[in-house]
Amino acid sequence: GAGVSQTPSNKVTEKGKYVELRCDPISGHTALYWYRQSLGQGPEFLIYFQGTGAADDSGLPNDRFFAVRPEGSVSTLKIQRTERGDSAVYLCASSLVDRIGYTFGSGTRLTVV
Amino acid sequence: DAKTTQPPSMDCAEGRAANLPCNHSTISGNEYVYWYRQIHSQGPQYIIHGLKNNETNEMASLIITEDRKSSTLILPHATLRDTAVYYCIVEAGTASKLTFGTGTRLQVTL
Repeated sequence: GAGVSQTPSNKVTEKGKYVELRCDPISGHTALYWYRQSLGQGPEFLIYFQGTGAADDSGLPNDRFFAVRPEGSVSTLKIQRTERGDSAVYLCASSLVDRIGYTFGSGTRLTVV
Repeated sequence: DAKTTQPPSMDCAEGRAANLPCNHSTISGNEYVYWYRQIHSQGPQYIIHGLKNNETNEMASLIITEDRKSSTLILPHATLRDTAVYYCIVEAGTASKLTFGTGTRLQVTL
């Protein structure tokens, strides 16, 4: 596709449930990033993939959060035992050259009730 | 700790130049200045980046002071579609992530 695609665009889940958020990067982009944005704040880094491997996962807040990119293209962010504090917009970005000129998707708005 | 300081908000009349300042007094020699913007309900959009020299592209110009402690993003002819939050980010070229602050909310008015 022409841009980074994220699905679903909105997700409402109950506290304690498991959720998966999907990111389809731009074809050929080897670098993929996940960020989280709370209301009124700038995006906050979660994890960075170079190819299939997580090159930097230092931003994941705790072990309830996990992300995979098994074939070096699509990535899934997984959140276990969701908490109300996990409510945010989850943004995915990809780039051809590491760290330069990311293209972001429109995000998935996660609401935990 | 924030590496950059930006005014929380600015206004600009449509058709005029918008000059968005950013202070980064502790910038290191290997750190770049990046600018992104975020229009409401969209993901951030890359605008421009630079190391030492001034840079220009189809969207904007980036002016970096000689001591590199501050920079200005210039939108030469602002339009209503330029209303957004503008983020100035300083990161090393080897960094694996961008650290966003709270940015400057630019409101372009008629």
